[in-house]
Formats: sequence, C-alpha cells, structure tokens
Amino acid sequence: DSGVTQTPKHLITATGQRVTLRCSPRSGDLSVYWYQQSLDQGLQFLIQYYNGEERAKGNILERFSAQQFPDLHSELNLSSLELGDSALYFCASSTGGFTDTQYFGPGTRLTVL
Amino acid sequence: AQSVTQLDSQVPVFEEAPVELRCNYSSSVSVYLFWYVQYPNQGLQLLLKYLSGSTLVKGINGFEAEFNKSQTSFHLRKPSVHISDTAEYFCAVTLPRGGFKTIFGAGTRLFVKA
Repeated sequence: DSGVTQTPKHLITATGQRVTLRCSPRSGDLSVYWYQQSLDQGLQFLIQYYNGEERAKGNILERFSAQQFPDLHSELNLSSLELGDSALYFCASSTGGFTDTQYFGPGTRLTVL
Repeated sequence: AQSVTQLDSQVPVFEEAPVELRCNYSSSVSVYLFWYVQYPNQGLQLLLKYLSGSTLVKGINGFEAEFNKSQTSFHLRKPSVHISDTAEYFCAVTLPRGGFKTIFGAGTRLFVKA
C-alpha cells in the first residue's frame, strides 16, 4: 500500500460525458502527479501540482483539467469524452518535485462506451 | 525531440539467472533517469533513479542500473531473478529544464520461469 488513494476504482461512461477522478496523496506529500496509461499511447505524464499550484505540464489535452485543493487532494476532470480516452489514470504523490520518489496510487480505470 | 526506447518488449528468463533490461534515450540536454516496475493490476513503483553523480545506481529488490552518457543508455540489471520479479518494467526520462517533461518507454515484460 503506497498510501495514495484514488477513487473511483472503475468508471464506465458514454462519449461526450464529463467525469472527475479523485486522488488523495500520502500524508505530508505536497506534490501530486497525474498519468494516463493506455494500450495505444502507453504511459504519459499529464500534469503536476505542488501545494496547490500547477508546476509542470505534459501531454494533457485541453478537454482535461486538474486542480489541487487546500487539503492537498487533487481532482482530474475529463470532459467531452471520446472512446480513445479509455485508459488507466494514475495519481502519484511526492514530498517535493521530480527528484523525489513518487508513490503511485492503484489507478482509476475509465471505460468510455 | 526527446524519446525513450526500451529495446525488448518481452524478456523471458529462468529463475536465478541474470537479466538485463535495456533502455536508450535521446536528448540534447541533461536528464533525470528512472526505472519503474508495475505488477499486475497495480500502480508503478520506483526501482531506482539517476539524478547526478555516480553512474552506477542501486535500487530496491536487488536491481541496479548504469548510466552511460556517451551511449545515452540506462540499462537495468539484476544478477539473479526470482519468480516474483515477473512484471512490466518502464524506463523514464525527465527533463529538468523545459518544464520537467517526463517521457516513458513502452515497457519491457519480464517473465521469470521456474
């Protein structure tokens, strides 16, 4: 158990819909990262937040957005969903930035029908 | 453009044999290098990382990796594997300049046979 929790574990929705994925970091960690893992595109870094502020951005689509709240939990919002958005979405946390060890959550499996 | 190539998609090996999982990267700037392991139905776990300094990096579970700047490689090795090492292994590169962009390799499936 990494100490990072993600909800929900599974999510099934239809094209065009909007969903929110939630992540609670390990106690004391200030950074949260979001990743997407799909068969087509492999593992991709989406975005990082540090203590409430966006710190680094990867291959995140404009239809996707994220935020980190004062209690340090984070949400990833995916809108206008397409079939190709079906993937595992992982959240990770670390004490500081990219040089620190990231601890990954179990992931949310999103299926878009 | 930066890229990460894991040269083997699958590596079958017998238990207690040595293994090397190969990773090459392409970058014109300095990078941070990582190896992660993913067990079935789980998230990633960091095995080891190279940030600077000694080119031989030791990680968890008996794994080590060597950074070779001239060959732009970061191969992962273990002298004696166990059945429990069966998993997917990912090499990753983070660019400390230019927004900490992180790129993953496609993964190598290590299958340890009894």
